[in-house]
Amino acid sequence: DAGITQSPRHKVTETGTPVTLRCHQTENHRYMYWYRQDPGHGLRLIHYSYGVKDTDKGEVSDGYSVSRSKTEDFLLTLESATSSQTSVYFCAISDSYNEQFFGPGTRLTVL
Amino acid sequence: QKEVEQDPGPLSVPEGAIVSLNCTYSNSAFQYFMWYRQYSRKGPELLMYTYSSGNKEDGRFTAQVDKSSKYISLFIRDSQPSDSATYLCAMSRTGNQFYFGTGTSLTVIP
Repeated sequence: DAGITQSPRHKVTETGTPVTLRCHQTENHRYMYWYRQDPGHGLRLIHYSYGVKDTDKGEVSDGYSVSRSKTEDFLLTLESATSSQTSVYFCAISDSYNEQFFGPGTRLTVL
Repeated sequence: QKEVEQDPGPLSVPEGAIVSLNCTYSNSAFQYFMWYRQYSRKGPELLMYTYSSGNKEDGRFTAQVDKSSKYISLFIRDSQPSDSATYLCAMSRTGNQFYFGTGTSLTVIP
């Protein structure tokens, strides 16, 4: 998976609790992305980062925040999880405007 | 209307067949086009990348982009059981914000 790890790989939580997902890369790539994948919707971009402390919103950013304090780490936070945020979350990295390499994914269930 | 439309299938073909997978899109500004393969419970892996129009070939895989029709295709020749997966198309105007299709599920029968 191109030097990308995601943690945790699986998580079950309750509505209203905060959740943080971590993406860690060893490739020193500039760009990092968070996607969610849902049946019938495919992959949708939540947030992306184009450098340390530089982030921007994607297609479905409401209810999510991100932080990138180091090149290798990109955190996705659900401040107050809702059942609609039950999904599979993928992190991706790239070093240019083309190839994106994806991590193994995190399965999040919000009860 | 979705930015990218992709027939979800499922598509089932015999081993050795030629497979054609397609996506249509609505945004004429898209200029970066990709195809990904995703095995069950795994992350997507990049198969083909094309910038602007034209064809690109890599082994058994050929990607075609027809910007005038807003239509992209992926052809798989001599399909193998190991090609059984979900295939995702993705496209972008800027090269960083990509819009993905919902994926086409392919099964290659030995």
